[in-house]
Amino acid sequence: AQSVAQPEDQVNVAEGNPLTVKCTYSVSGNPYLFWYVQYPNRGLQFLLKYITGDNLVKGSYGFEAEFNKSQTSFHLKKPSALVSDSALYFCAVRDIKSGGYQKVTFGTGTKLQVIP
Amino acid sequence: ETGVTQTPRHLVMGMTNKKSLKCEQHLGHNAMYWYKQSAKKPLELMFVYNFKEQTENNSVPSRFSPECPNSSHLFLHLHTLQPEDSALYLCASSQRLAGQETQYFGPGTRLLVL
Repeated sequence: AQSVAQPEDQVNVAEGNPLTVKCTYSVSGNPYLFWYVQYPNRGLQFLLKYITGDNLVKGSYGFEAEFNKSQTSFHLKKPSALVSDSALYFCAVRDIKSGGYQKVTFGTGTKLQVIP
Repeated sequence: ETGVTQTPRHLVMGMTNKKSLKCEQHLGHNAMYWYKQSAKKPLELMFVYNFKEQTENNSVPSRFSPECPNSSHLFLHLHTLQPEDSALYLCASSQRLAGQETQYFGPGTRLLVL
C-alpha cells in the first residue's frame, strides 16, 4: 500500500528566509508525486509534480521540490518566503502501475506560517 | 479560479434532512472525484467517476449517494447524516484517470450536521 507522511503539523518561517516543507513517501514501485496548496476557504491548488526525469521540479509561485529516491522524500522548498505563502500544504503520491485506476494518497497537510 | 465550481459553499442540516451537493467542471475533463476533508486527517477519497461511470467507491456509507449525469456534473446526495459527517467536501476533476494527471479542485462545501 502506498502512503505519504508530512512530519510537521506546522512550519514557521520569517519573511525573506528560505522555507522547507517535508514529505516522505512509501510505494511498492515508482511514484508520481504532487504538491498542492490550500488557502483559507478554498480548495486545493496544484503547485508541482514529479513524474520522471530531473529530480528538481519547479512549480508555481517560485516553489520547487526535490525528488530523492534513496531517502524516499519529496520536500517542498522556496528560496525566499512571502507572507502570502502562508497556507496549508499537502503532499500526495500515486504508485505507478500499469492498468486500472490507482488513487492518489494525500498527506495530513502542513500549515506554513510566514512571519512578517 | 480552477474551473471547478461547487454549490452550496456552506450547508447546515439536521440528521433527518435530505440535501445535495453540486459540482461542475468547465475544463473538459473526463474524471471527477469526491473527497472528504476533516481537520487533522488526510484527504479521504470517497468516489471516482470516469466518463460518467463509477470506478471507485471507497467504502463510503450508503447515506452518501453520488450521481454523475455527464462528465461535467457531479452530485453528492445526502440523507440521514451523522454529526461526524461534518467536514469540507471537495470535488475535483482531471483529464483522465492516468497516474500523472493533475487533479483540479473546487472550493468545497463546508457541511455542518446538527
